[in-house]
Amino acid sequence: SQTIHQWPATLVQPVGSPLSLECTVEGTSNPNLYWYRQAAGRGLQLLFYSVGIGQISSEVPQNLSASRPQDRQFILSSKKLLLSDSGFYLCAWREWDRGHGGELFFGEGSRLTVL
Amino acid sequence: QQQVKQSPQSLIVQKGGISIINCAYENTAFDYFPWYQQFPGKGPALLIAIRPDVSEKKEGRFTISFNKSAKQFSLHIMDSQPGDSATYFCAASKHDMRFGAGTRLTVKP
Repeated sequence: SQTIHQWPATLVQPVGSPLSLECTVEGTSNPNLYWYRQAAGRGLQLLFYSVGIGQISSEVPQNLSASRPQDRQFILSSKKLLLSDSGFYLCAWREWDRGHGGELFFGEGSRLTVL
Repeated sequence: QQQVKQSPQSLIVQKGGISIINCAYENTAFDYFPWYQQFPGKGPALLIAIRPDVSEKKEGRFTISFNKSAKQFSLHIMDSQPGDSATYFCAASKHDMRFGAGTRLTVKP
């Protein structure tokens, strides 16, 4: 069966520090991968999605970036965090051939607090 | 840009009552409309989903009603229970998935 792992679960970072959140998927090949952010009491904002290694689409221009160095690995990064980067970050995957819709599976999330 | 609009923002229902959450979308290319349920500190999980070729889908106490011409769909939770208390998100998808802002449902015993 497929599983998704996301870490770290919680982190507190000072403003201006770097960030790296990692997500891996097991049990599937060539998944579509997604990073969402959920601000407190708000909805899910799509940040990045990837349909293959090295292929990243960015939805929101900001100081975050994403990379997909391996088929089932998706990394969210920042060189210098801002206070507004605080939130709950969710990695998700979907089967690659679900271009016409299909279930999105979420990880457990990473709660980031920038102080 | 908000492609999926969800209401209400919060909802309080008595146990045994009906919870109704509404969503509207803009992009007619969307072809998959799921509802996700999220408990505090957890990632969302799929509750029920519908495709635009049907007008209604029912799974247990949960029903999606879909109106393609109006570009609207809704979630009905029958016989609401305290365990249903969570945040519910509607979404619409083609190649990526766009979510509504969420509805915090509280079911009072």
